Amino acid sequence: AQSVTQLDSQVPVFEEAPVELRCNYSSSVSVYLFWYVQYPNQGLQLLLKYLSGSTLVKGINGFEAEFNKSQTSFHLRKPSVHISDTAEYFCAVTLNRDDKIIFGKGTRLHILP
Amino acid sequence: DSGVTQTPKHLITATGQRVTLRCSPRSGDLSVYWYQQSLDQGLQFLIQYYNGEERAKGNILERFSAQQFPDLHSELNLSSLELGDSALYFCASSVRDSAVGEQYFGPGTRLTVT
Repeated sequence: AQSVTQLDSQVPVFEEAPVELRCNYSSSVSVYLFWYVQYPNQGLQLLLKYLSGSTLVKGINGFEAEFNKSQTSFHLRKPSVHISDTAEYFCAVTLNRDDKIIFGKGTRLHILP
Repeated sequence: DSGVTQTPKHLITATGQRVTLRCSPRSGDLSVYWYQQSLDQGLQFLIQYYNGEERAKGNILERFSAQQFPDLHSELNLSSLELGDSALYFCASSVRDSAVGEQYFGPGTRLTVT
């Protein structure tokens, strides 16, 4: 069965600094990958997704992620974070279009002034 | 605002009781998903309905059940509640029943079992 590992439960970063949130998945077959964001006291919102094609995926709010099949990773990056990026970020995977989505445990992003 | 509504926002009840959580999907969305979010288990998929039919099942306990009505709103019923059922319960909706489509999440119902 597929699974998702988010290596960091919390990531502190200074405002305007770059950030990378790490995500690794386990699957021997092709996967579809997602990043969702959960702002405080809200539901989840889709940031970006990789279905096929270009391995560099651009999402909302200046985020992007790179699919690396050889390293089974889908790390999320932003070149310059803002205080409004304070949230919890979830990586997710599904094996096929008819299957359920498996979420990682989440990474809490703390923006330091 | 995602367009998905959930009621109630908070629910406090005692062990052994039964509660019903309600979800109204975005206008035009046919799929409804239920998730449970807790500190120890993270975000777990419970069940999905598409146009009134059960489409996929995840880690849903036998004490829990759900249904989607003809007007497409959905209800999640939790019975014989235990302390460990305390969690945030999210509903999400999407246009189709494909897992690769974007899911729009509601604000959640926080359930506290005492």
